[in-house]
Amino acid sequence: ETGVTQTPRHLVMGMTNKKSLKCEQHLGHNAMYWYKQSAKKPLELMFVYNFKEQTENNSVPSRFSPECPNSSHLFLHLHTLQPEDSALYLCASSQEGRAGGELFFGEGSRLTVL
Amino acid sequence: DQQVKQNSPSLSVQEGRISILNCDYTNSMFDYFLWYKKYPAEGPTFLISISSIKDKNEDGRFTVFLNKSAKHLSLHIVPSQPGDSAVYFCAAWVFGNEKLTFGTGTRLTIIP
Repeated sequence: ETGVTQTPRHLVMGMTNKKSLKCEQHLGHNAMYWYKQSAKKPLELMFVYNFKEQTENNSVPSRFSPECPNSSHLFLHLHTLQPEDSALYLCASSQEGRAGGELFFGEGSRLTVL
Repeated sequence: DQQVKQNSPSLSVQEGRISILNCDYTNSMFDYFLWYKKYPAEGPTFLISISSIKDKNEDGRFTVFLNKSAKHLSLHIVPSQPGDSAVYFCAAWVFGNEKLTFGTGTRLTIIP
């Protein structure tokens, strides 16, 4: 089993659809993250959860709704997205307090909004 | 305002030669700097890091140098191998803040 698993790997949706991205980590970490990677832009932090509590919402539009039911699972619920939301969405986990801030990433979910 | 900058979007290096990837930052409060490597269709993987109190960290073929006065760090790969072809992200971290700040990445191509 890989450390951080994301499903689906690819998703195509219309602007009126509702879909969800799922992330699961098997590393025993207590912090989980959603990042967005768009072409020619830095990785953008979207949400941070520490011990299932959301500690950061980086000015993300409400059409993105995260959910963290436990420290191993993280969801990103998508609703009425825009074409500019098409990007690679990366989930990551880390052990809070560990020096160096090392993140372990999943393989990403490539989202295309039509 | 982009706090971590990678000004070279791409770099091509002959196999066996040295690859040097550069990163500049503006926030003097950063405590750690990290390099991540990303292959197509995969998530980034951690490569090497350096604490702000050091100026060099080495791990096999990979060495990271930090010049705090210039707010500059670089990743040296020697010798370069075809499997090193990937996108390399520089990232920085402030202790106590769980947020990593990433650069835009540099695509490294190793020419056989």
